[in-house]
This record gives sequence, C-alpha cells and structure tokens, in this order.
Amino acid sequence: DTAVSQTPKYLVTQMGNDKSIKCEQNLGHDTMYWYKQDSKKFLKIMFSYNNKELIINETVPNRFSPKSPDKAHLNLHINSLELGDSAVYFCASSRPGQLQETQYFGPGTRLLVL
Amino acid sequence: AQSVTQLDSQVPVFEEAPVELRCNYSSSVSVYLFWYVQYPNQGLQLLLKYLSGSTLVKGINGFEAEFNKSQTSFHLRKPSVHISDTAEYFCAVSEYSSASKIIFGSGTRLSIRP
Repeated sequence: DTAVSQTPKYLVTQMGNDKSIKCEQNLGHDTMYWYKQDSKKFLKIMFSYNNKELIINETVPNRFSPKSPDKAHLNLHINSLELGDSAVYFCASSRPGQLQETQYFGPGTRLLVL
Repeated sequence: AQSVTQLDSQVPVFEEAPVELRCNYSSSVSVYLFWYVQYPNQGLQLLLKYLSGSTLVKGINGFEAEFNKSQTSFHLRKPSVHISDTAEYFCAVSEYSSASKIIFGSGTRLSIRP
C-alpha cells in the first residue's frame, strides 16, 4: 500500500517532446507538492496545491503545468523538454491544518532529456 | 526569506562511531525545522522535526537534533551509526506564516565505513 506513488519511475525522452508525470496519494491529504532535485541533490519546491487549488508557484518556466483533477492526484505536464529539465521529480503530500504537517514523499521520477 | 546551510557536503565515519551533521538556518521570523533522510534511489523520509517546546528532539532510527535559537542551528546527531545509515540527509526550514513551503538545504551525504 504505497502512500504516495509516482509514474513512471524512469523517463528518457528527446529534447522538444512533451511528457507527463503522474502522482497519486492514498493518505487522504489535502495538499500536494512537486519538487525538483537536480544532479547535485539540491531539492527545490516547484508547486503546491491545496484541495485542487494552486497555493505555491515558484519561479518555474511556463512549460511546466501542474494539473490536479482531484485532491488525491497532482500531475505534472512538461512541454518542449530541454536538457536542463533532466532531474529527479518528487511528489509529496501533507495534511494542512496541523501544526506544521509532515510531508510524505513519493519515490521520485528520474527524467533524462537527451 | 529563510535559507538553510548545511556546512558539510560529505561526512565519512566509521561504523559505531558518533556523528553530527551540521545545519544552520536564516530567518527573520519563527520557524519550524526538519531533518529528512533520502536512502539511495528513494524519496525523502522525515527523521524528526522541531515545532516548539523542548529544544532536544528525538527522531526515528536513533537520531536526535537540538534547536539552538541563539546560534540559529539545528544539528543532527547519532551516538553510534550503522552501515544502514548511509544516505543523504537534508535539513529544512519553514516559516510559521507559510507552513506549507519548506526550504531544503543542499544535503549532506553520510557514508559509513566498516
């Protein structure tokens, strides 16, 4: 019973392609996140949704578009992929309202753009 | 804006030796503090967090951390490490006013030698 799952686990694609990464959580959480971890392990938040509403949108190129069909899912669509998009993308979820809720992370999607 | 500095990118130690991973933060307001661990090819997992109260926080796997407000530090310690502790450790901070947004440090790679 995986709490936060991501698909695919690995994604290898050519520059200029469009790809999507899916994330699902079965924890009943209201808030979901996307993080990017670069080759130096630096982890940075990209987006956060609370109950399908965007609440955090860091400085991310417009080519990245999150989509939340329901509060259990937060997908990440990337248009016109570039070499610099190669990274590991982590989805996470948390339950708002508690005194600083714990974020639960998925296993990551390793994206390689050739 | 808050920031996190992990002073050591790599820390090699022998098995059963004590270890301290250093973390300093910068913020003009009250913060929550976290340590996350990332095992190879996995997502992040919460080790421990400081919200308020006692400055010594105990987490999973025998780790503990001490919040020092005057030195703006939140160093992670373990009295005796095991091979299984080999992983990347991330210190993180979030401000009371934006509790959903966590800023991560650059990570410290802990490698255990037999």
